[in-house]
Amino acid sequence: DTGVSQDPRHKITKRGQNVTFRCDPISEHNRLYWYRQTLGQGPEFLTYFQNEAQLEKSRLLSDRFSAERPKGSFSTLEIQRTEQGDSAMYLCASSFRGQGNTIYFGEGSWLTVV
Amino acid sequence: AQTVTQSQPEMSVQEAETVTLSCTYDTSESDYYLFWYKQPPSRQMILVIRQEAYKQQNATENRFSVNFQKAAKSFSLKISDSQLGDAAMYFCAYRSAWIDNDMRFGAGTRLTVKP
Repeated sequence: DTGVSQDPRHKITKRGQNVTFRCDPISEHNRLYWYRQTLGQGPEFLTYFQNEAQLEKSRLLSDRFSAERPKGSFSTLEIQRTEQGDSAMYLCASSFRGQGNTIYFGEGSWLTVV
Repeated sequence: AQTVTQSQPEMSVQEAETVTLSCTYDTSESDYYLFWYKQPPSRQMILVIRQEAYKQQNATENRFSVNFQKAAKSFSLKISDSQLGDAAMYFCAYRSAWIDNDMRFGAGTRLTVKP
């Protein structure tokens, strides 16, 4: 299976610690997205890459959050000085222009800040 | 700004029967895409069906079909012959044809399938 993969699937961390999530998109997809989802809600857009360029960041992405996509392949999302309000599912997705703008999601990384 | 509204937080259907999930959206654009995604308890979001706004014909994928009413800005999902495996959260989503990052999701409808 060559779908979007995310690691780790679950992370429990103490408040104030830093965490990093990794996403490997579907190969040849040039677009990569990060979303955040809390219980009972739909995903909310965080940021978006086209190849290695980060083209858009949501207001939800405070300065404690940083995302990278070196070489336009995998991406990392780092949260510094985590807060309890950061507890959520972090979803990665990818797409390729020309496929009708369909976004394919990974299984998500579930973060719990205690 | 585009918004997506799913007015049914929860729905229930008997196995083998038909259920319709509602979705409305607000936009000033004429070109866009609409999606229904399914999120089972395992949490991976899976594409169920997609509709291009410029197409008048309603999309169909096996037991899943949509009723796309562009003027009314309505995009409902019909699941026929419901199966236990259809139980999940269903999200309606809107994506602009011109702004690549602009994908908006509704709050979701939790579908329960009763045996």
